[in-house]
Amino acid sequence: EGHLVQSGAEVKKPGESLKISCQASGFTFTDYWIGWVRQMPGKGLEWMGIIYPADSETKYSPSFQGQVTISADKSISTAYLQWDSLKASDTATYYCARAYYSDSWGQGTLVTVSS
Amino acid sequence: EIVLTQSPDTLSLSPGGRATLSCRASQTVTSSFLAWFQQKPGQAPSLLIFGASSRATGIPDRFSGSGSGTNFTLTITRLEPEDFAVYYCQQYGSSPCSFGQGTKLEIK
Repeated sequence: EGHLVQSGAEVKKPGESLKISCQASGFTFTDYWIGWVRQMPGKGLEWMGIIYPADSETKYSPSFQGQVTISADKSISTAYLQWDSLKASDTATYYCARAYYSDSWGQGTLVTVSS
Repeated sequence: EIVLTQSPDTLSLSPGGRATLSCRASQTVTSSFLAWFQQKPGQAPSLLIFGASSRATGIPDRFSGSGSGTNFTLTITRLEPEDFAVYYCQQYGSSPCSFGQGTKLEIK
C-alpha cells in the first residue's frame, strides 16, 4: 500500500521562494502519477497538477500554470512543488496524492505566507 | 474544464439514517472516472469510491457510488458517528481534473 510523507510546515514572507516535498514509499514510484492539491483555509480542494515521475511528464490546471512548478526525483522517490515568488494568497495546506484518483494522500504541508 | 457542482451544500441527518449526496458535471465525465473522498477536520482527504462505483480498499459497503455521464451519487446507509464529515467528488477523466465544492454531512 502506498505511503506519502510530506515536508513540514513553512512560514515565508511574500516574494520568497519555496520548495516542498512528498516522499513515496511502499510502491514503485515510477509506476504512478503524483498529483498536488491545494486547500485554502476553510475552503475546498483544488487540483493543481500532476507528474509522471518515470519521464517527468507534467500537466497543470490552467489556474496554476505558470504559478508553480511540479517536479520529481525518481532516484529518491520524491515529488516537489515549488514557488519562485510567494504571495499571501498562497497561504494554504498543500497535499500530494498518488494517481489520478488519489488513492493515497500525504499528510499535508501548511504554507503560511505573511509579512 | 469540467465544473462539478455538489448538492446539497450541507446535509443534516441523524445517526442510523441514509445520506444521498449528488455531484453534477458540466460535461460528460469520460469513462465514469469519478471519485468520492471523505475529509474530517484536520485530516487529509481519503478515497471512498473510484470509477463512479468501485469502493476503495477497506471502505465498508454502507458506502456506495452510482451514476454515469453527468450525474453521480454517493449513498451512505446506516450512518455512523464517524461518517459526519465533508465529502468531495472529483472527476479525473479529463485534464485538468476538478473537484466539487464539497458537501458537509452534519449531525442533526
